[in-house]
Amino acid sequence: DGGITQSPKYLFRKEGQNVTLSCEQNLNHDAMYWYRQDPGQGLRLIYYSQIVNDFQKGDIAEGYSVSREKKESFPLTVTSAQKNPTAFYLCASSWTGDSNQPQHFGDGTRLSIL
Amino acid sequence: GNSVTQMEGPVTLSEEAFLTINCTYTATGYPSLFWYVQYPGEGLQLLLKATKADDKGSNKGFEATYRKETTSFHLEKGSVQVSDSAVYFCALLTPNQAGTALIFGKGTTLSVSS
Repeated sequence: DGGITQSPKYLFRKEGQNVTLSCEQNLNHDAMYWYRQDPGQGLRLIYYSQIVNDFQKGDIAEGYSVSREKKESFPLTVTSAQKNPTAFYLCASSWTGDSNQPQHFGDGTRLSIL
Repeated sequence: GNSVTQMEGPVTLSEEAFLTINCTYTATGYPSLFWYVQYPGEGLQLLLKATKADDKGSNKGFEATYRKETTSFHLEKGSVQVSDSAVYFCALLTPNQAGTALIFGKGTTLSVSS
């Protein structure tokens, strides 16, 4: 079955540590996205990528970094510069060029601070 | 700019009650409209969509009609079940944003009791 796989499901970070969240899709989608979800705030866009080796900042990119070396993979690194990283992180993917097509989401990674 | 406004929750209903979750939008052009559902601890799943005015999206007993004159896309279900308890997100995508991120409302939490 095609879909989006996020790992790990739960992740713990120590102070001053960088952590990387994995996102892999086998839907052959061009575009991939990272969102952060906090209680009562809905989803906020961190980064997105429309094509391999290219990505754009979203609304809350500070303290995060991404790479897009392969079409199917879009890992997110939460750096030590992100002072409040505790949240639920969602990865999504979609086709480009057709606004009628929805985004597909993974099951998320919950990040907590030790 | 483009935006989505949802009614604030939580919405608390008894089983078999009628559900309405209001959603209005502001957008340039003719956006596509989506409802997503998030069950506890999971990612988002597409519930239904509508891509042009007067279209009705439907799935699992839920319906929403794209009303351009009132810029609305209200979600309805005639008889809710306990299993419908979840967070519901309204979202839009305009044609010139294909391959960029969805614009989400803040989400509405639905709690159904037996």
